Amino acid sequence: GAGVSQSPSNKVTEKGKDVELRCDPISGHTALYWYRQSLGQGLEFLIYFQGNSAPDKSGLPSDRFSAERTGGSVSTLTIQRTQQEDSAVYLCASSLGQGGPIYFGEGSWLTVV
Amino acid sequence: AQSVTQPDIHITVSEGASLELRCNYSYGATPYLFWYVQSPGQGLQLLLKYFSGDTLVQGIKGFEAEFKRSQSSFNLRKPSVHWSDAAEYFCAVGARGTGTASKLTFGTGTRLQVTL
Repeated sequence: GAGVSQSPSNKVTEKGKDVELRCDPISGHTALYWYRQSLGQGLEFLIYFQGNSAPDKSGLPSDRFSAERTGGSVSTLTIQRTQQEDSAVYLCASSLGQGGPIYFGEGSWLTVV
Repeated sequence: AQSVTQPDIHITVSEGASLELRCNYSYGATPYLFWYVQSPGQGLQLLLKYFSGDTLVQGIKGFEAEFKRSQSSFNLRKPSVHWSDAAEYFCAVGARGTGTASKLTFGTGTRLQVTL
């Protein structure tokens, strides 16, 4: 596609359930980033991929959070045993090279009830 | 660790007036500097970024920003605001240590309202 695509766009889940959020970056973009945006914490870095490897995963808030990227393309962010504080918009971005997040998707809005 | 401050939570300007949004950072060296805009329900759009070189950076939509090392600032400017510029604006900084600008620290944002 022309831009970064994220799915689902909205997800409501019960506390304790696992969720998977998907990001399809712009074709050919080697760098992929996950950020989280919430009312209480603002915009926070989660993880960065260069190709399929994650040189920086320092922003993942707990071991309930994990992410992978396959084929140098699609990435999945998984949250296990969701908690209410996980409610946020999860934003994915991609770019060529190492110049920082350039193109953002519209985000996946996660609500944990 | 780096930090960034956007002192103005909310700014209102008239259409056609000039605009300056403030951004101050704290970092031991020259960081990577970014400005993004976010419209309601949308993702972030990069307006411009500074890595090195000319301290006056031109971006999209008629925006520019000037890096001032002495003031630790990277203020965003536009000479004439359009109603469609109403949105939230975020300044972000990235550390140079790793050679990549992957892990950005964002400010809390400035909400711009444009009156007709």
